[in-house]
Amino acid sequence: NAGVTQTPKFQVLKTGQSMTLQCAQDMNHEYMSWYRQDPGMGLRLIHYSVGAGITDQGEVPNGYNVSRSTTEDFPLRLLSAAPSQTSVYFCASRGTGIANYGYTFGSGTRLTVV
Amino acid sequence: QQQVKQSPQSLIVQKGGISIINCAYENTAFDYFPWYQQFPGKGPALLIAIRPDVSEKKEGRFTISFNKSAKQFSLHIMDSQPGDSATYFCAASDTNTGNQFYFGTGTSLTVIP
Repeated sequence: NAGVTQTPKFQVLKTGQSMTLQCAQDMNHEYMSWYRQDPGMGLRLIHYSVGAGITDQGEVPNGYNVSRSTTEDFPLRLLSAAPSQTSVYFCASRGTGIANYGYTFGSGTRLTVV
Repeated sequence: QQQVKQSPQSLIVQKGGISIINCAYENTAFDYFPWYQQFPGKGPALLIAIRPDVSEKKEGRFTISFNKSAKQFSLHIMDSQPGDSATYFCAASDTNTGNQFYFGTGTSLTVIP
């Protein structure tokens, strides 16, 4: 199993550009989330989904959009990149039930906005 | 407002020693407390997790101690090894109401040979 796959691994954007970070999981997990990791701030939730067609905002949603058309895929769109969005982005997924409650994370996308 | 407070920010331990990382929370609705381990350039990986119905959970050299009344939990790494050098994150979640995991700010552990 590949687990959670994120692409690209690295990206440099200019201010104002848009892009989509891709995330796919092959574990048939219902729950998927996007986090950003910044030094000294831990991981902060951007958006999450509890199943295909259902998404909701997390702690820091501004400037980001998501959609969930299939169970497997959960792309994150940056609408108009800003330097404040320079970060490492992680996609994560988990199953249902307490035995599967812990998230499995992808390897991350390091984004720099100049 | 930080929902989960983690300390210390960094920790240096001799090989064979005990590493201890502490976390505290305020929301008494939290009922799931995982610890994640992250190596440079990698995503966090679930290490061990505990629920508040037990005060301790052990998996190999890793132990979570949980104090419900104090709203604190800690990770103990026994016989620390250089390969344990990584960043460790605690987290908390309310399994009844939502999908939000609240993470601590992380502890960078270095185990010196």
